[in-house]
Amino acid sequence: AQKITQTQPGMFVQEKEAVTLDCTYDTSDPSYGLFWYKQPSSGEMIFLIYQGSYDQQNATEGRYSLNFQKARKSANLVISASQLGDSAMYFCAMRGSDTGAGSYQLTFGKGTKLSVIP
Amino acid sequence: DSGVTQTPKHLITATGQRVTLRCSPRSGDLSVYWYQQSLDQGLQFLIQYYNGEERAKGNILERFSAQQFPDLHSELNLSSLELGDSALYFCASSASGITDTQYFGPGTRLTVL
Repeated sequence: AQKITQTQPGMFVQEKEAVTLDCTYDTSDPSYGLFWYKQPSSGEMIFLIYQGSYDQQNATEGRYSLNFQKARKSANLVISASQLGDSAMYFCAMRGSDTGAGSYQLTFGKGTKLSVIP
Repeated sequence: DSGVTQTPKHLITATGQRVTLRCSPRSGDLSVYWYQQSLDQGLQFLIQYYNGEERAKGNILERFSAQQFPDLHSELNLSSLELGDSALYFCASSASGITDTQYFGPGTRLTVL
């Protein structure tokens, strides 16, 4: 079974500073994918960044980067130059294939609430 | 805008009733996933359809059912509703392969009174 752990229920960061949101995972599947989603107070789930288990380099998307440490089973999200609009819940999720061919549902962590202070 | 649409946005109903939530995936996406987000359970996978066929089931109650139609839109049917079914229900879609990202719709917020 797959498991995602996000140990920080809430975090504060000063505007324009960088922040790291922690995510550790557990899986026996050699092939998996790791995702981060953002959920603002309006409720929608917004895809931010993806890292495949076989990717050699850490993923980056604009101000978002994923610090992938496979041996430690961690996939931390780094947001650089925080903005007020970054205030939201952030979810780490994993997709594996050990549930059967063609079924790639996501397993989510409990999320981290990020608050950006002006 | 993810390109995934869900209707209705909000739904208020009474215990014992039945409701239908609708989802249209992004153009070209063959897979549709349903997730439930509640305060106590967090985000949980319910069911997946791929090109009209059920592909995987998660923590979906027997009172809940879903289907995907030939035009690839999907419906989630919730019956004999209980207070505990109040939640945000998301539909997500992806192209097909293992590396495909799932894009989420805006969700349907269900309130059971």
